[in-house]
Amino acid sequence: DAGITQSPRHKVTETGTPVTLRCHQTENHRYMYWYRQDPGHGLRLIHYSYGVKDTDKGEVSDGYSVSRSKTEDFLLTLESATSSQTSVYFCAISGAGGPMGSYNEQFFGPGTRLTVL
Amino acid sequence: AQKITQTQPGMFVQEKEAVTLDCTYDTSDPSYGLFWYKQPSSGEMIFLIYQGSYDQQNATEGRYSLNFQKARKSANLVISASQLGDSAMYFCAMREGLGNTDKLIFGTGTRLQVFP
Repeated sequence: DAGITQSPRHKVTETGTPVTLRCHQTENHRYMYWYRQDPGHGLRLIHYSYGVKDTDKGEVSDGYSVSRSKTEDFLLTLESATSSQTSVYFCAISGAGGPMGSYNEQFFGPGTRLTVL
Repeated sequence: AQKITQTQPGMFVQEKEAVTLDCTYDTSDPSYGLFWYKQPSSGEMIFLIYQGSYDQQNATEGRYSLNFQKARKSANLVISASQLGDSAMYFCAMREGLGNTDKLIFGTGTRLQVFP
């Protein structure tokens, strides 16, 4: 199994407070991703990183920011949490983009359940 | 428009029977990959199987096979000889493009319940 952890695993916070979720990997994988999972929506990409200090927006990036200062860590920050950000957050990693037709499995972390009251 | 469509919110199957979970996709990119993930009640995402758009044969992994029909843009997952432990949510996902960013787009999932 890929070495990927998320912290905290559970968090309850209040509307308007800042929240930071951490994803840590020991696999030296280049790509890292943050998804959120909500009923009826499956998993949706928030932000991703393709290297240290290289990040880009995903499908549902509003209200979120990310940082990656080291290969192993990818942080997701909610600057001012809202109730609509109550969700389960998954981090994922993969090795690299490959040539045409190749693939790289994305390994997922255990998830963080965030509740914003 | 939905890129990945899973039309079956829930499926039931009897133990030891085969079951097919449907997935259709939409892309204009000739290079893409299709994935299936399993999410048991414990919450983790488990990779099951992959099919590349240029692969000539359908992918198989143990009891899992992917029925890839390119012209119909479908990538159905077939689970043979179902087991009680197969009860879970199943997600179809697609990666578009040449893989430089490896982003996945997920469907909304199908909940499979296996009964004795």
